Amino acid sequence: GDSVTQMEGPVTLSEEAFLTINCTYTATGYPSLFWYVQYPGEGLQLLLKATKADDKGSNKGFEATYRKETTSFHLEKGSVQVSDSAVYFCALSGGGGGNKLTFGTGTQLKVEL
Amino acid sequence: GAVVSQHPSWVICKSGTSVKIECRSLDFQATTMFWYRQFPKQSLMLMATSNEGSKATYEQGVEKDKFLINHASLTLSTLTVTSAHPEDSSFYICSARDKESGNTIYFGEGSWLTVV
Repeated sequence: GDSVTQMEGPVTLSEEAFLTINCTYTATGYPSLFWYVQYPGEGLQLLLKATKADDKGSNKGFEATYRKETTSFHLEKGSVQVSDSAVYFCALSGGGGGNKLTFGTGTQLKVEL
Repeated sequence: GAVVSQHPSWVICKSGTSVKIECRSLDFQATTMFWYRQFPKQSLMLMATSNEGSKATYEQGVEKDKFLINHASLTLSTLTVTSAHPEDSSFYICSARDKESGNTIYFGEGSWLTVV
């Protein structure tokens, strides 16, 4: 079945550091890929998405490129801020599981001054 | 923006009792809502898809008699954990699909359930 693997956290960075959160997936067909973010005390919010190979999703300075050859969708940001502290979830849909969202375990990011 | 609210945010109950978690779409109508469960250091696992006015569709391995889902209106779905046991302790999250905004899915804040 479909699955998503993302790096374990917590990831602790200093403000303005470069961020990478790795995400790889296993799915049949041609899934869409997503990154969701959950800020403390809030629900998950869609951060960015990509629907086909080589697409780049971007939002709020975050980027992720759909790499079919490596089945990856790594999240990057050039310069993180304290306000980026949250839990980040990689997810896919449209693979063997149909339109259901399949999530990774989530990666907690802590950004310190 | 669209908001989905869950209540309660956290609840502690005794073994053998039942507990109800509510999921409300505050400013849109949701014909479809989803219930997830997340154990520590594991993925969010879809438990069931809740359809307004009809029976919920449960994922394989989820006991429908234990996790009762009711989607009685276009803005409210409830999950009742019946005869709760400590192994049911988990983080439960709902999401709702907004048809009017291109089927965008919005998530609630989640509910922590601890069964003692």
